[in-house]
Amino acid sequence: DTEVTQTPKHLVMGMTNKKSLKCEQHMGHRAMYWYKQKAKKPPELMFVYSYEKLSINESVPSRFSPECPNSSLLNLHLHALQPEDSALYLCASSQFGGSYNEQFFGPGTRLTVL
Amino acid sequence: GQQVMQIPQYQHVQEGEDFTTYCNSSTTLSNIQWYKQRPGGHPVFLIQLVKSGEVKKQKRLTFQFGEAKKNSSLHITATQTTDVGTYFCAGSNSGYALNFGKGTSLLVTP
Repeated sequence: DTEVTQTPKHLVMGMTNKKSLKCEQHMGHRAMYWYKQKAKKPPELMFVYSYEKLSINESVPSRFSPECPNSSLLNLHLHALQPEDSALYLCASSQFGGSYNEQFFGPGTRLTVL
Repeated sequence: GQQVMQIPQYQHVQEGEDFTTYCNSSTTLSNIQWYKQRPGGHPVFLIQLVKSGEVKKQKRLTFQFGEAKKNSSLHITATQTTDVGTYFCAGSNSGYALNFGKGTSLLVTP
């Protein structure tokens, strides 16, 4: 299984809502990533987990809260988002952390904040 | 943080023409990766370059890493409509995290 899955595919939420994005991989990868991608822009790194511990937080606002319950799962909890947070949220995994490992991306969750 | 500059932003070619996208960094890179993202899709890994002056080929795609490890290029020979998408380079100067270039969007008309 060489796939990263993400749910939901689409999400519309109000600024007062609380929602979660989910990501799963069964490749035995020990590093997992959250990226944010705006239209016609590159993926922008948000968080990196390595061996289930948060290793990189790219100064992301606290309204985004990551969680790694186990080595296969990665969540992104959303609360009090702003309309400018609307974007495609991509999850990725790699065998290990660091820049030398190929990253496998999921299909993304397209988030709209009203 | 370290920035990876990528040009051109867009390229429109006729099917059969060649295509090249370039990435440049002001600092020496430990490694560089290339990804392709089809319209409506997600980035897919193409290749990684690590050594100075490295050249790798995948069918019609040729990837180069500069001698100083500050620049890289992706060249596609005789483009096909299946080559349509955005090509991103992603480099690191620390071996710690990748920084994506802004991407080159390739449009191929038959």
